[in-house]
Amino acid sequence: EVKLVESGGGLVQPGRSLKLSCAASGFSFNDYWMGWVRQAPGKGLEWIGEINQDSSTINYTPSLKDKFTISRDNAQNTLYLQMSKLGSEDTAIYYCARDGGYSGAFDYWGQGVMVTVSS
Amino acid sequence: DVVLTQTPPTLSATIGQSVSISCRSSQSLLHSNGNTYLNWLLQRPGQPPQLLIYLVSRLESGVPNRFSGSGSGTDFTLKISGVEAEDLGVYYCVQSTHAPWTFGGGTKLELK
Repeated sequence: EVKLVESGGGLVQPGRSLKLSCAASGFSFNDYWMGWVRQAPGKGLEWIGEINQDSSTINYTPSLKDKFTISRDNAQNTLYLQMSKLGSEDTAIYYCARDGGYSGAFDYWGQGVMVTVSS
Repeated sequence: DVVLTQTPPTLSATIGQSVSISCRSSQSLLHSNGNTYLNWLLQRPGQPPQLLIYLVSRLESGVPNRFSGSGSGTDFTLKISGVEAEDLGVYYCVQSTHAPWTFGGGTKLELK
């Protein structure tokens, strides 16, 4: 069974940094692109970016490229999202997801982790 | 960025009714490799999104066949043939033909 479990969320002060993790299991992690999507409270979905199998290609939505860094550790089957210079606009649920490959779709999603940016 | 416009924003239906959701793109979603990367997701209340349909019309494994997708270029449609209670939630179209991926604004399916 494919499982994606996010962790590392919580309350963080404006201007600070936070690193999220996504532990993957039930599939061959190093065979798949992986990505992050976020959802502000009561709002729609926003694609943050994704990373390929060997971390040689990482794509970001332009507005977040200078603030967020996606990485992965294939030995640990873990995906990461390093977030810096956080502001209230970054308050959201953050989901990690597996890119199914030829489908061009995120076919498995984690339950999400809440990040609240507030003083 | 590609803008996806979903209509209607809210849809009220009775159990058993058939409904359709439209997703229109600001530019063609036909990729140079011949594929059209337009997908549909359902997000039930309090849950993460789940993939329903990919590549316009292909049903994800385990998704009931009352769901169907169609369209090409810039106009796409999700149809539910006989709404069931478990179908309630917010539907999103999403494109991955052009970077960055973008989502439609969502269509909330409610019980009438």
